[in-house]
Amino acid sequence: GQSLEQPSEVTAVEGAIVQINCTYQTSGFYGLSWYQQHDGGAPTFLSYNGLDGLEETGRFSSFLSRSDSYGYLLLQELQMKDSASYFCAVRDGTSGTYKYIFGTGTRLKVLA
Amino acid sequence: DSGVTQTPKHLITATGQRVTLRCSPRSGDLSVYWYQQSLDQGLQFLIQYYNGEERAKGNILERFSAQQFPDLHSELNLSSLELGDSALYFCASSSPGGGEGNEQFFGPGTRLTVL
Repeated sequence: GQSLEQPSEVTAVEGAIVQINCTYQTSGFYGLSWYQQHDGGAPTFLSYNGLDGLEETGRFSSFLSRSDSYGYLLLQELQMKDSASYFCAVRDGTSGTYKYIFGTGTRLKVLA
Repeated sequence: DSGVTQTPKHLITATGQRVTLRCSPRSGDLSVYWYQQSLDQGLQFLIQYYNGEERAKGNILERFSAQQFPDLHSELNLSSLELGDSALYFCASSSPGGGEGNEQFFGPGTRLTVL
């Protein structure tokens, strides 16, 4: 079946760099997306990787290796406001149709 | 503010009842998605509509149904409610071209509590 795996929790200090990994098992892969969700808030889109390699957007970068079914989100110069849950997501196209699958999320705690 | 609106913000009801959640997508967006998020859980994709037609389906229960109207707003109907249906229900929309990675813009959600 289809699945995405992420660590449940990551803790880091302000100013540090943290990497959140995501491994996936799908068919008909259409790229890996990342979303951020603060407690009580709605998910917001962070990045997307359709091809292998690194995509950079400010302090956030995302990487994809399709051959390894693996990606990661890299957060640099951590700030307190980065404390949130981070979800990887794929559009999985199996059986002639597709659906969206989100990982269970990684809760990031940034310490002062 | 994503531009996606959802009503109501909170809903409290009893088991066995039926409720309707409403979503208005961003101006110009043709796709609407519905997700369920239970406490401390990830997002479960329920269903997607594109310009009034069902486009993709997730693990949506038979007790749940949705539709998208000509003005592109969407409604999610939940019937024969059970305690386990208590969750946050998000609606999202995306632009006609899909955008990079089919970026989805999420509404603020409707918190459903079934007592």
